[in-house]
Amino acid sequence: ETGVTQTPRHLVMGMTNKKSLKCEQHLGHNAMYWYKQSAKKPLELMFVYNFKEQTENNSVPSRFSPECPNSSHLFLHLHTLQPEDSALYLCASSQGIGTRNSPLHFGNGTRLTVT
Amino acid sequence: QQQVKQSPQSLIVQKGGIPIINCAYENTAFDYFPWYQQFPGKGPALLIAIRPDVSEKKEGRFTISFNKSAKQFSLHIMDSQPGDSATYFCAAGPYNNAGNMLTFGGGTRLMVKP
Repeated sequence: ETGVTQTPRHLVMGMTNKKSLKCEQHLGHNAMYWYKQSAKKPLELMFVYNFKEQTENNSVPSRFSPECPNSSHLFLHLHTLQPEDSALYLCASSQGIGTRNSPLHFGNGTRLTVT
Repeated sequence: QQQVKQSPQSLIVQKGGIPIINCAYENTAFDYFPWYQQFPGKGPALLIAIRPDVSEKKEGRFTISFNKSAKQFSLHIMDSQPGDSATYFCAAGPYNNAGNMLTFGGGTRLMVKP
């Protein structure tokens, strides 16, 4: 059982829909991340939160909107997506930014298909 | 953006073989090199990691070899088993801030045939 839980596991949405991805970590970590995993591409870091504060936004389009209400929960709000946004979206957590030897713990991802 | 180049993209070996996956990095400031293993339908999980103060690290059947001067590191899987079939990702970053500054390689899909 992973310490990082993502829901839903699969999501199909039209380009005009609004949906949200949810992530919850049970590891007592203070940093949470959203990654995008596309076929034949390296993992792409999208957003980073440390102690609920956003510390990184890697030039992600505004149709992706993250929310981190507390250190255990992370959301990714989606609206007016494009078909090329179809991918596996992974949530991860770690002990905290600047912490030594703090590996990433990933959830099992949400497989998103935009039609 | 600093890149981590991983090869090969895919690899097929027979059971008992020793698959080798190679990675090369650019940033000489990187001092933390983890490998992640990902099974279908699962997220990546940390497999083994090395720091540049050693040239080799073993954990069970998995070994990382590190060449600091060449800025290369590789993963060897001894006595590979069908259960090792997965996608493997190398990564590189700073040890004191690895969480948000890891750069990942493109992944290697390994298949171990019975």
